[in-house]
Amino acid sequence: DTEVTQTPKHLVMGMTNKKSLKCEQHMGHRAMYWYKQKAKKPPELMFVYSYEKLSINESVPSRFSPECPNSSLLNLHLHALQPEDSALYLCASSPTSAKGTQYFGPGTRLTVL
Amino acid sequence: AQKVTQAQTEISVVEKEDVTLDCVYETRDTTYYLFWYKQPPSGELVFLIRRNSFDEQNEISGRYSWNFQKSTSSFNFTITASQVVDSAVYFCALSEPERSNDYKLSFGAGTTVTVRA
Repeated sequence: DTEVTQTPKHLVMGMTNKKSLKCEQHMGHRAMYWYKQKAKKPPELMFVYSYEKLSINESVPSRFSPECPNSSLLNLHLHALQPEDSALYLCASSPTSAKGTQYFGPGTRLTVL
Repeated sequence: AQKVTQAQTEISVVEKEDVTLDCVYETRDTTYYLFWYKQPPSGELVFLIRRNSFDEQNEISGRYSWNFQKSTSSFNFTITASQVVDSAVYFCALSEPERSNDYKLSFGAGTTVTVRA
């Protein structure tokens, strides 16, 4: 089973709202990732959690706040977003490091009004 | 500098034609990994293949085949007898674990493949 699930599939929010994106995997992977993808562009790495600790933050604005409650779950908390934050947000997981294959979820399409 | 170059932005073919997607990478590491992902209109990135730098054997999986050539730093992907369901954006990616233990994938810009019935 190489399934990564994400909820919700679509999200529309205003600039003053607070919302969260959720990601789950049950493959026993110890690394989990958040990516942002704009239309017709490759995914851009945002955050990496390794063994439930934040390993990489790619200089992401503080209005995006990641959380890894346990080894299977990854959240992305959103607050005071801007319209330019509208994008596809992809979660991925891999066994451990960059040697391993990253498996991606279906993504959440976020629209910020 | 771009580490992964996919020179073809868009390719359009008629069903049953073969299509080859080019991928050229750049690294100074001896150990590295190359990947291909497919992204259909639904949005999910689907893993297709992972190849490590020490394994230059070409691979075939059904209608898909990959040609890895270290001499030219290329990892090309061919879809044989294309079908409409092959319409997607295809990304080539590189990981360089020697550089640091930083989990990063360097993606190419992607190639949009459209297969017409």
